[in-house]
Amino acid sequence: GENVEQHPSTLSVQEGDSAVIKCTYSDSASNYFPWYKQELGKGPQLIIDIRSNVGEKKDQRIAVTLNKTAKHFSLHITETQPEDSAVYFCAEGNQGGKLIFGQGTELSVKP
Amino acid sequence: DAGITQSPRHKVTETGTPVTLRCHQTENHRYMYWYRQDPGHGLRLIHYSYGVKDTDKGEVSDGYSVSRSKTEDFLLTLESATSSQTSVYFCAISELDRATEAFFGQGTRLTVV
Repeated sequence: GENVEQHPSTLSVQEGDSAVIKCTYSDSASNYFPWYKQELGKGPQLIIDIRSNVGEKKDQRIAVTLNKTAKHFSLHITETQPEDSAVYFCAEGNQGGKLIFGQGTELSVKP
Repeated sequence: DAGITQSPRHKVTETGTPVTLRCHQTENHRYMYWYRQDPGHGLRLIHYSYGVKDTDKGEVSDGYSVSRSKTEDFLLTLESATSSQTSVYFCAISELDRATEAFFGQGTRLTVV
């Protein structure tokens, strides 16, 4: 069945460093790859997404890259700040709007 | 925040009792979803709806049922709660039938004792 593997499960960086989270997926029909950020006690919130016809997308300090051949995509956060500390989820989606989520990465940015 | 309200926000119930969680949206989005979140599993889809009275199963639907009698409300029912259903439940909505941004509610923390 459809599956998304996300690594690492925890990530600790110093403020100002970069953070990278990686995901692999199994469904070759997937064409939508969002990243969600979840703060403590809140629901996940979309921070960036990419579609299968694009290899890279950037929004200020956040970027996502997609390699459809290898079936993996990554989230890159540069110049990390303490407020970037949260749990991050990758997901894959296709027709029907359903999303399959990765297991999550707990990012800790130390001042 | 998208207009999604989940109720209750917290609930403790006993094994074997029925429980209903409610999701109410004010965005008039066609698609609504129920996910559960457990450590090490991310979010897993329980059931979803693509219109009034139109629902379908997700990957972890056993022990759950849903109903959608109005566009704005999507109910999740645990017919007979078990300890394995202790979890945080999230409702989400999306507008289009192609994969697109889903907006999540604040979650309901359910504990079955």
